[in-house]
Amino acid sequence: AAGVIQSPRHLIKEKRETATLKCYPIPRHDTVYWYQQGPGQDPQFLISFYEKMQSDKGSIPDRFSAQQFSDYHSELNMSSLELGDSALYFCASSLGPGRTGGELFFGEGSRLTVL
Amino acid sequence: GESVGLHLPTLSVQEGDNSIINCAYSNSASDYFIWYKQESGKGPQFIIDIRSNMDKRQGQRVTVLLNKTVKHLSLQIAATQPGDSAVYFCAENKLTGGGNKLTFGTGTQLKVEL
Repeated sequence: AAGVIQSPRHLIKEKRETATLKCYPIPRHDTVYWYQQGPGQDPQFLISFYEKMQSDKGSIPDRFSAQQFSDYHSELNMSSLELGDSALYFCASSLGPGRTGGELFFGEGSRLTVL
Repeated sequence: GESVGLHLPTLSVQEGDNSIINCAYSNSASDYFIWYKQESGKGPQFIIDIRSNMDKRQGQRVTVLLNKTVKHLSLQIAATQPGDSAVYFCAENKLTGGGNKLTFGTGTQLKVEL
């Protein structure tokens, strides 16, 4: 079965650079979520999109932005990178409201290292 | 504020024994409570969920118990196997107009000893 696809899997950037992470949800899933997970920490919710509109916002820094495109894939753009942005970034997808029991399907994550 | 947290950071069990992982939560408005398993370098994997109006749900080798009186959630794994070694997260899910709002608690590292 198709899963959530994230790219790139690994990314190394310098401070103050920009990075873009991509997420391709499971086919027919119209909702995507972005999470950030630091070493030894639980995943922290950043932002979500439903039908290409932002549906919820968590602890996403102002330096970050995201969007969902017409094909439902999503991109997380991170600018002015800081050392503290080094983390695993997970994308998850689900069916829209009212059509899910609450299960989010997660991708394998993108590991960002800021030097 | 809203929070979901686990009691123990590490749990070691012998292969074949039953494992019990506990979780405390503070937000009573959640619609679902979910357990995720995360292996090293991988994304969280859904194990089982339970609706907030239920108190027990069973899956294959796993059982989730919800005690709303004391705001406590537990995951029981029967006959624990080496492949069960991972970090387990409890999470609460509040259904919103835009989908799900999933809040993770602190993970518990389960170590299965041979």
